[in-house]
Amino acid sequence: DVKVTQSSRYLVKRTGEKVFLECVQDMDHENMFWYRQDPGLGLRLIYFSYDVKMKEKGDIPEGYSVSREKKERFSLILESASTNQTSMYLCASSLDGGRNQPQHFGDGTRLSIL
Amino acid sequence: AQKITQTQPGMFVQEKEAVTLDCTYDTSDPSYGLFWYKQPSSGEMIFLIYQGSYDQQNATEGRYSLNFQKARKSANLVISASQLGDSAMYFCAMREVYTGNQFYFGTGTSLTVIP
Repeated sequence: DVKVTQSSRYLVKRTGEKVFLECVQDMDHENMFWYRQDPGLGLRLIYFSYDVKMKEKGDIPEGYSVSREKKERFSLILESASTNQTSMYLCASSLDGGRNQPQHFGDGTRLSIL
Repeated sequence: AQKITQTQPGMFVQEKEAVTLDCTYDTSDPSYGLFWYKQPSSGEMIFLIYQGSYDQQNATEGRYSLNFQKARKSANLVISASQLGDSAMYFCAMREVYTGNQFYFGTGTSLTVIP
């Protein structure tokens, strides 16, 4: 089974801090994704990556950056955390760009910015 | 325009009954995949079922089946013999192959199974 591991289930940080959310997958997947999930809005794509050192902006990249130095790890960075970034963050991976390849998700990180 | 539309914010079903969760999609890509995910209150997203745009038959996985009507651009999830553990949020998603390779998610349907 594919395992996608997010570093924290719950995280509390302060406004202005630089926050790192880590995601690791163990199945040599090419594609990795970061979403945030808010009630009534579903999942919104922040960034995704097709391969190592490659990244593409999603629908809501403002205030975020990402890093993919190794294939198995995709990090989401909140450069200067703000209270409107309080949310559930979900990391996902998929084998490749095939239309039949589902995304496999981590357990999510509930981030609170105080 | 929304790529994925789920018009039922909340649904209730009696235990052991069947329930249909609606999903419509919008794409001009000839090749795409449709997915359903379940999200229990614990938060993890669980992949349930997949339907490809070229598949002639409706997908089935155990108690889950997908009612795929390509001309109407709908991909409804049918859960048969509902169980209490089916209570969760359900998300419909689409992946286009030729136009961006992203996944698009609906806003979800909250299903409650009543004993």
